[in-house]
Amino acid sequence: GENVEQHPSTLSVQEGDSAVIKCTYSDSASNYFPWYKQELGKGPQLIIDIRSNVGEKKDQRIAVTLNKTAKHFSLHITETQPEDSAVYFCAATVNYGGSQGNLIFGKGTKLSVKP
Amino acid sequence: NAGVTQTPKFQVLKTGQSMTLQCAQDMNHEYMSWYRQDPGMGLRLIHYSVGAGITDQGEVPNGYNVSRSTTEDFPLRLLSAAPSQTSVYFCASSYPTGELFFGEGSRLTVL
Repeated sequence: GENVEQHPSTLSVQEGDSAVIKCTYSDSASNYFPWYKQELGKGPQLIIDIRSNVGEKKDQRIAVTLNKTAKHFSLHITETQPEDSAVYFCAATVNYGGSQGNLIFGKGTKLSVKP
Repeated sequence: NAGVTQTPKFQVLKTGQSMTLQCAQDMNHEYMSWYRQDPGMGLRLIHYSVGAGITDQGEVPNGYNVSRSTTEDFPLRLLSAAPSQTSVYFCASSYPTGELFFGEGSRLTVL
């Protein structure tokens, strides 16, 4: 089955700096890679996702890159702000023909943005 | 829009007691799932369902039962609680395209 490794487990940056979180996956059939943000006491919420037919996707200060050959994908947050402080999870699954595969999550990265 | 609603938010049980965590969604999603979250372990899939009447096991199903009699509801049952089941439990639902919508979580302590 799929296995997702996520690094680092904790990340501390100064406000305005960039943050990068990296994940690797094991199943070459996986084709859907979402990132979730979890604020304290809340459920995870999707912030960006990427499918295997593209290599990069951006949404304002957030971007995700995918390297299918190496089986890794990364989350990039630029111009970090204190409200970016949270736990971030990557995930992977096979999603095809309208059929939902089970998301397998990494262990999470706790991001702290210091003012 | 309520989304995914979980009850209770907090529960304390004694070893051997049983209980049901409730989950309801109002988005007409076919897919629903239960995850548990433990420190340093991320989110691990317990059980999932692809539609009413259909359930299957995830990564860590032992000690848990589920059923899916309606599209809206997906309860998680602990038949005989153990301290190892102390965790935060999340219910989630999704469209076939993939985005999971999570509830706010249910924090369970087993003494």
